[in-house]
Amino acid sequence: QVQLQESGPGLVKPSETLSLTCAVSGYSISSNFFWGWIRQPPGKGLEWIGSIYHSGSTYYNLSLKSRVIISVDTSKNQFSLRLSSVTAADTAVYYCARPTSGVGSGYGFWGRGSLVTVSS
Amino acid sequence: EIVLTQSPGTLSLSPGERATLSCRTSQSVTRNYIAWYQQKPGQAPRLLIDGASTRATGIPDRFSGSGSGTDFTLTISRLEPEDFAVYYCQQYGVTLYAFGQGTKLEIK
Repeated sequence: QVQLQESGPGLVKPSETLSLTCAVSGYSISSNFFWGWIRQPPGKGLEWIGSIYHSGSTYYNLSLKSRVIISVDTSKNQFSLRLSSVTAADTAVYYCARPTSGVGSGYGFWGRGSLVTVSS
Repeated sequence: EIVLTQSPGTLSLSPGERATLSCRTSQSVTRNYIAWYQQKPGQAPRLLIDGASTRATGIPDRFSGSGSGTDFTLTISRLEPEDFAVYYCQQYGVTLYAFGQGTKLEIK
């Protein structure tokens, strides 16, 4: 069974860089799939941040593209999110996710989410 | 950039009733790559439907999806108490994903 687990600091100061890692178990990240990051501000809806293919190709939400880097570490079977120059508006629960079975499917596997608060 | 608009924002119904949730996209969706998710407080979203009409594994058959082009619908035929939650539609593919703003399904 595929499992995803987000980890990283729960508190980040304004103007600094938010860094999160998604550890994957039950599946080799180097085998296939676009691995995604999604966030949800408190009390609000879901926002897709971006995706990375196992080969390293990345695709980002245009509204965040200038501040986001998603990378993959196949040796550790994990992928990571970096969001720079954060403000209070970046406070959210951050989820990592994977499609159920390829490009034609939605995100069937999700992490439990990691709350990141941006505050001084 | 594709925009997904869900309606209504809030839907108040009673258990046993039929729920119809709408998702309209600003441009035609390739290959009907539309998914629907259910989210309960404190939980990650749960995939219900993808490919506009294919139920995910383990999803009860009271949930059904339909639509094509720019208009998509999630129908819950007979509401159970556990169905009251927030529902999101999503356009997905290779290079671009986007979510609707959500419909809250609440008990009347």
